[in-house]
Amino acid sequence: QSALTQPRSVSGSPGQSVTISCTGTSSDVGGYNYVSWYQQHPGKAPKLMIYDVSKRPSGVPDRFSGSKSGNTASLTISGLQAEDEADYYCCSYAGSLVFGGGTKLTVL
Amino acid sequence: QVQLLQSGAEVKKPGASVKVSCKASGYTFTGYYMHWVRQAPGQGLEWMGRIDPNSGITKSAQKFQGRVTMTRDTSISTAYMDLSRLRSDDTAVYYCARGTRLKYYFDYWGQGTLVTVSS
Repeated sequence: QSALTQPRSVSGSPGQSVTISCTGTSSDVGGYNYVSWYQQHPGKAPKLMIYDVSKRPSGVPDRFSGSKSGNTASLTISGLQAEDEADYYCCSYAGSLVFGGGTKLTVL
Repeated sequence: QVQLLQSGAEVKKPGASVKVSCKASGYTFTGYYMHWVRQAPGQGLEWMGRIDPNSGITKSAQKFQGRVTMTRDTSISTAYMDLSRLRSDDTAVYYCARGTRLKYYFDYWGQGTLVTVSS
């Protein structure tokens, strides 16, 4: 199972919006509504931010939103804040579970 | 509150095995899957497999089949991941993570266990 494709890095200024893409195939992202997104700060465990493509767990700010079109899922963070600077990973069901390679978000 | 507490760091020689534990608290252990995910230094996340603590049934990623064994002890709400025939590229932080049945995401994570494989 190949890893999902994410940009290695994205950046934005405080208050701006950024979108992180996660591209797979019809066998994973495109085939199921089971995409999740995780935020990971250095040296910490990942944290669930979005599940089932666009659902937010309680406690996650509504600045974080998820969507999907075809074989590509996206995580959008609006109103960027300094604490959003982290690595972000997508994950999809594909019979098993497969992650993206991760995207480093830098808040300028 | 839900907590997953993992065992401490390990140093192993190539060819050896390692067993990592994950003690769950704050919820019904048998009501959720327990997944194992690893992260090599500076690299991304990699799903290894999961166990249903209620039945003991496991499912592992093809890459790890034959090398990974996942077990549980329901009496102490603890899941275990045993990885055999260790290689240097198995050096990683290993996480346990809770998953809901028939859902495909991880809502709570352990703190991680660093396993170093070195001669």
